[in-house]
Amino acid sequence: GAVVSQHPSWVICKSGTSVKIECRSLDFQATTMFWYRQFPKQSLMLMATSNEGSKATYEQGVEKDKFLINHASLTLSTLTVTSAHPEDSSFYICSARDPRDSSYEQYFGPGTRLTVT
Amino acid sequence: LAKTTQPISMDSYEGQEVNITCSHNNIATNDYITWYQQFPSQGPRFIIQGYKTKVTNEVASLFIPADRKSSTLSLPRVSLSDTAVYYCLVEGYYGGATNKLIFGTGTLLAVQP
Repeated sequence: GAVVSQHPSWVICKSGTSVKIECRSLDFQATTMFWYRQFPKQSLMLMATSNEGSKATYEQGVEKDKFLINHASLTLSTLTVTSAHPEDSSFYICSARDPRDSSYEQYFGPGTRLTVT
Repeated sequence: LAKTTQPISMDSYEGQEVNITCSHNNIATNDYITWYQQFPSQGPRFIIQGYKTKVTNEVASLFIPADRKSSTLSLPRVSLSDTAVYYCLVEGYYGGATNKLIFGTGTLLAVQP
């Protein structure tokens, strides 16, 4: 099946700094990627839909100026957490669909654990 | 906002069949139902997807009644390695684009020897 990677797998940063997370589709082109956030023992919450070559669509309650999304190519989307604070500490997961699939299956990355101190 | 609810946890023994139900009362006509498995500190992995009635693949079956307000994931003969959190996902499409992605609350399945 299709493979999605994320980098880094974990990151620790100080409060007030910015962190960039990369999401790559390794063997397919993804015009759309999705970014999720998952707090401990909770479900996945969709943050935004990343569209190649255009602006991301953010879910209600997600600050677009704090969570910057760039989808500059068909295989790479990035999420930048700006001016991070401890409450931003979470597990961030991206996903994408392979356009060659007839189903609506999402291929998820392995996730990035962000800890803000 | 539509809510998608699941039992918090379930216990089972190796070799048993496990059925996990998801409630999605506000499902819309264009919505599909997908189930994912997630191990700790990993991204979810696709199990099965359906729209109505019954779907079966090599690892699971999915039962969706006529009103589509719930769905049941059936795992035959579970093993210890099936211990994980299982999520249902209601996803909607309109005009070729995704317009809804709502994950259920998740069910922690614990399989014991």
